[in-house]
Amino acid sequence: QVQLQESGPGLVKPSDTLSLTCTVSGYSVGGNDWWGWIRQSPGKGLEWIGYIHHRGNTYSNSSLKSRVTMSLDTSKNQFSLKVNSVTVDDTAVYYCARRYSFGSHWYFDLWGRGALVTVSS
Amino acid sequence: DIQMTQSPSSLSASIGDGVTITCRAGQNIGTYLNWYRQQSGKAPELLIYGASSLQSGVPSRFSGGGSGTDFTLTISSLQREDFATYYCQQSYNVPLTFGGGTKVDI
Repeated sequence: QVQLQESGPGLVKPSDTLSLTCTVSGYSVGGNDWWGWIRQSPGKGLEWIGYIHHRGNTYSNSSLKSRVTMSLDTSKNQFSLKVNSVTVDDTAVYYCARRYSFGSHWYFDLWGRGALVTVSS
Repeated sequence: DIQMTQSPSSLSASIGDGVTITCRAGQNIGTYLNWYRQQSGKAPELLIYGASSLQSGVPSRFSGGGSGTDFTLTISSLQREDFATYYCQQSYNVPLTFGGGTKVDI
């Protein structure tokens, strides 16, 4: 059974860096899939942050204005997210997810439970 | 960015009812459209991919249709666990974008 689990500090100060790790069990992050991050502000909809492939390729949402860094560690079967210079607007539940491809279509088919990160002094 | 617009934003229904949710894309996205259900306090779960393909393990009461700019998600007979929020998402290009959600409640 494949599982994803987010971990990291639940409270971050304004202007600091938010750091989260997603640990994957039951499946290798070193395969052909991409691994992504999506966030959801309290009471709001879903916002795609970005995704990464084990070869090092990444795509991220320009709305975060290059504050995002993603990495992947095949030896630990984990991938990570960093968002620097955070503000209160970065307060959200952060989800990690697998981007799976089937034919010409792809979708987020497996999700972590989510990690609430609050930005506050 | 491709804007995704869902309607209605909320609806009320009863167990056993059939409902249809609409998603409109700001440009032609072919069939690069996915649907998710998010139960309260939980992560989203994939229902439909490629506009009309049912994800493995998802009940057959869910169906999707459409192409180009207009898409639908239909639930033929609502069950208790279907009272949730539904999101469409385009996978045509980056940045990936989601619709604003449709909340289905009793």
